[in-house]
Amino acid sequence: GENVEQHPSTLSVQEGDSAVIKCTYSDSASNYFPWYKQELGKGPQLIIDIRSNVGEKKDQRIAVTLNKTAKHFSLHITETQPEDSAVYFCAAPPDNTGGFKTIFGAGTRLFVKA
Amino acid sequence: SQTIHQWPATLVQPVGSPLSLECTVEGTSNPNLYWYRQAAGRGLQLLFYSVGIGQISSEVPQNLSASRPQDRQFILSSKKLLLSDSGFYLCAWSPGTGGYSNQPQHFGDGTRLSIL
Repeated sequence: GENVEQHPSTLSVQEGDSAVIKCTYSDSASNYFPWYKQELGKGPQLIIDIRSNVGEKKDQRIAVTLNKTAKHFSLHITETQPEDSAVYFCAAPPDNTGGFKTIFGAGTRLFVKA
Repeated sequence: SQTIHQWPATLVQPVGSPLSLECTVEGTSNPNLYWYRQAAGRGLQLLFYSVGIGQISSEVPQNLSASRPQDRQFILSSKKLLLSDSGFYLCAWSPGTGGYSNQPQHFGDGTRLSIL
């Protein structure tokens, strides 16, 4: 079955610096890769996603890159701000199960120091 | 636009008591519905999912059950709570049409359940 590994588990950056979170997956049939941001006491919220027919997608300060050959995808946050501090989860729904069993990474706790 | 509501936001229950958490979705029809549990500082564990009224799939054997009495209503229940049932419970929905594996999930704000 699908296995998603996420690194690092904790990331601390200075305000204005960039942050990169990386995930690897095992199921080569996976074709959709969302990223979620979870603030304290809230549910995860989708911030960006990428489908396997593209290698990169950007939305203002956040971007996601996908390398299907190496089976990894990364979240890039540029010009980080204190409000970016949260837990970030990657996910990869294994295609052969119809996508119900979305497998989430263990999460990365991002601290942005002002 | 679509919205998802979960209640209550927090709940403190004694061991052995029953549980009922409710989740409703507005603004969409025939959604896929999910219940997750999140332990403190941990990832998301899928508990149940449903593709339609009365259709429930369980992912892990446990002390909990789920029901879907209406199209946009999903209920998580227990007859007797255990200490290990403590956690943050999240309901989510995704569109019920199209390729399931290509749809994002939309989460509610969760219920923090403490068992004493």
